[in-house]
Amino acid sequence: AQKVTQAQTEISVVEKEDVTLDCVYETRDTTYYLFWYKQPPSGELVFLIRRNSFDEQNEISGRYSWNFQKSTSSFNFTITASQVVDSAVYFCALSPMNRDDKIIFGKGTRLHILP
Amino acid sequence: SQTIHQWPATLVQPVGSPLSLECTVEGTSNPNLYWYRQAAGRGLQLLFYSVGIGQISSEVPQNLSASRPQDRQFILSSKKLLLSDSGFYLCAWSTGGANTGELFFGEGSRLTVL
Repeated sequence: AQKVTQAQTEISVVEKEDVTLDCVYETRDTTYYLFWYKQPPSGELVFLIRRNSFDEQNEISGRYSWNFQKSTSSFNFTITASQVVDSAVYFCALSPMNRDDKIIFGKGTRLHILP
Repeated sequence: SQTIHQWPATLVQPVGSPLSLECTVEGTSNPNLYWYRQAAGRGLQLLFYSVGIGQISSEVPQNLSASRPQDRQFILSSKKLLLSDSGFYLCAWSTGGANTGELFFGEGSRLTVL
């Protein structure tokens, strides 16, 4: 069975602080994809990143960074020097790489960046 | 560039009334199309996906149905709405298989069933 757990339902930080959103997953597949999506107040989800299970290199994109640790089945997302525009719901997701099967989303973490 | 639109943006319907949500994609051909529902505190639930005209896979048995009458049009319907159908409905498309993941989402349709 596949499962994605985002234990943090809601987080509030003050602008310019760093914040990490946790994501833990379960899968029996040996190869899989992991994703993060952002859902701003406007509603549509925006794709942020996709990682392959065989590539554990951490990734940085501007103020965003992702820490993939296969040993702990985690794919955490850190925002450095947070800004008010980062306020959104963030979803972590998982899908099998070699089966045409659906993406499983976590329940999301609502992030509030306070000015 | 590709765009996706869905409408209506908001809808308030009485229990037992019909439903039709429409989604269209522009700028790509033969996309995979998806309907997701987001209920409060419950994340995203895949309802239907389609890999081609007339091809619909249902993930969750319920009183909703989907149709794909044209390559870039995906419709979510119900003959009789239930209170539990309230939620935020999102249409999405992708060019890869259902698992390869870069999904492009529409603006969403918020349905309230009273």
